[in-house]
Amino acid sequence: GESVGLHLPTLSVQEGDNSIINCAYSNSASDYFIWYKQESGKGPQFIIDIRSNMDKRQGQRVTVLLNKTVKHLSLQIAATQPGDSAVYFCAERGSGGSNYKLTFGKGTLLTVNP
Amino acid sequence: GAGVSQTPSNKVTEKGKYVELRCDPISGHTALYWYRQSLGQGPEFLIYFQGTGAADDSGLPNDRFFAVRPEGSVSTLKIQRTERGDSAVYLCASSLRPGQPQHFGDGTRLSIL
Repeated sequence: GESVGLHLPTLSVQEGDNSIINCAYSNSASDYFIWYKQESGKGPQFIIDIRSNMDKRQGQRVTVLLNKTVKHLSLQIAATQPGDSAVYFCAERGSGGSNYKLTFGKGTLLTVNP
Repeated sequence: GAGVSQTPSNKVTEKGKYVELRCDPISGHTALYWYRQSLGQGPEFLIYFQGTGAADDSGLPNDRFFAVRPEGSVSTLKIQRTERGDSAVYLCASSLRPGQPQHFGDGTRLSIL
């Protein structure tokens, strides 16, 4: 079946360090993945996405890596700041006729210590 | 505002009551989605609208849940005979077209006593 999960439920880092958040997915037919950031009391905020025909995509301080061989996705945050503290979700978009439906994992809580 | 707006932000009601949750999508977005998020979990898909029609309501848990989008913009999620297990954050998202990045509102936190 389709599922998206995360290896680590919590991650604590020092300000200025780099953070890596991991995600495993099971549907090899998925063609699009998104990382969302969710702060307490807020809705998920789009961070970065990647299509399955890519293995790396960079944004501002963030990089997403996709390894289709092992069905693994990661989000790297450079020079982590206190404002990065939040829950991070990876989401998988359905393929074909279900390309509107997002399936989310449980999330990783990132805590940045000053 | 420029983002997805959801009202109310919080709703507390008694078991058995009827509730309506409202979503104002980003102007011009044709696709609208409802998700439900339980504590400590990721959002779970409920229903998807393309324009005025519900293109996929497979995520609605049972027939107590219903959603409408009569003019292709604002949507209302309706829950009848609420149960304590309905307590969750109900999130709405919209996208310019299906398959494009979804932008979420801050949700309605529903508490059933």
